[in-house]
Amino acid sequence: DIVMTQSPDSLAVSLGERATINCKSSQSVLYSSNNKNYLAWYQQKPGQPPKLLIYWASTRESGVPDRFSGSGSGTDFTLTINSLQAEDVAVYYCQQYYRTPFTFGQGTKLEIK
Amino acid sequence: QVQLQESGPGLVKPSQTLSLTCTVSGGSISSGGYYWSWIRQHPGKGLEWIGYIYYTGSTYYNPSLKSRVTISVDTSKNQFSLKLSSVTAADTAVYYCARDSPPPDYWGQGTLVTVSS
Repeated sequence: DIVMTQSPDSLAVSLGERATINCKSSQSVLYSSNNKNYLAWYQQKPGQPPKLLIYWASTRESGVPDRFSGSGSGTDFTLTINSLQAEDVAVYYCQQYYRTPFTFGQGTKLEIK
Repeated sequence: QVQLQESGPGLVKPSQTLSLTCTVSGGSISSGGYYWSWIRQHPGKGLEWIGYIYYTGSTYYNPSLKSRVTISVDTSKNQFSLKLSSVTAADTAVYYCARDSPPPDYWGQGTLVTVSS
């Protein structure tokens, strides 16, 4: 299985500041034939299902605010949240869909400082 | 807008079979183009992908659960189902169904299944 490791496990950021969450895969999730990274980011708030934010490592899902951005390639990826809002408090997960079984990171809990 | 809704017993006894159904609305499973997945989340923990099915009936299961899992589809009812046999307390979790592009883009609200006698 491809192991996804996120850092940090938790993060406290002031309102209006930038939050950065990292995700590392145990093997590359870049498919060379189409040059796409099979990596997604999710946001999960308490009592709710995960919400897809980013796919192909950097493509925002429709309706997701542009303060959310994804970057990286191969094995190292980053989710950046600019100008943190109160409603961004949540747990964030990365997921690889390069190879079955699809696997998720352990999650990063984002709080307001 | 695609919507998914899980249904099934919230309490299952150890060694029995957990059975859940996901009803899809706002889109047809038989249209193709998507997989239909089950994903679970142990209380306070991360996400575990269980497996998926295509409308043709083709399936893939997580090897960690493969010996106990069956996913089936009923296109006439626009539903797909999960059966997990020989459950233990370790199978207590919130179970989600999802449309899987991949990645999963539409999710049900989830249903808590507790394994207890």
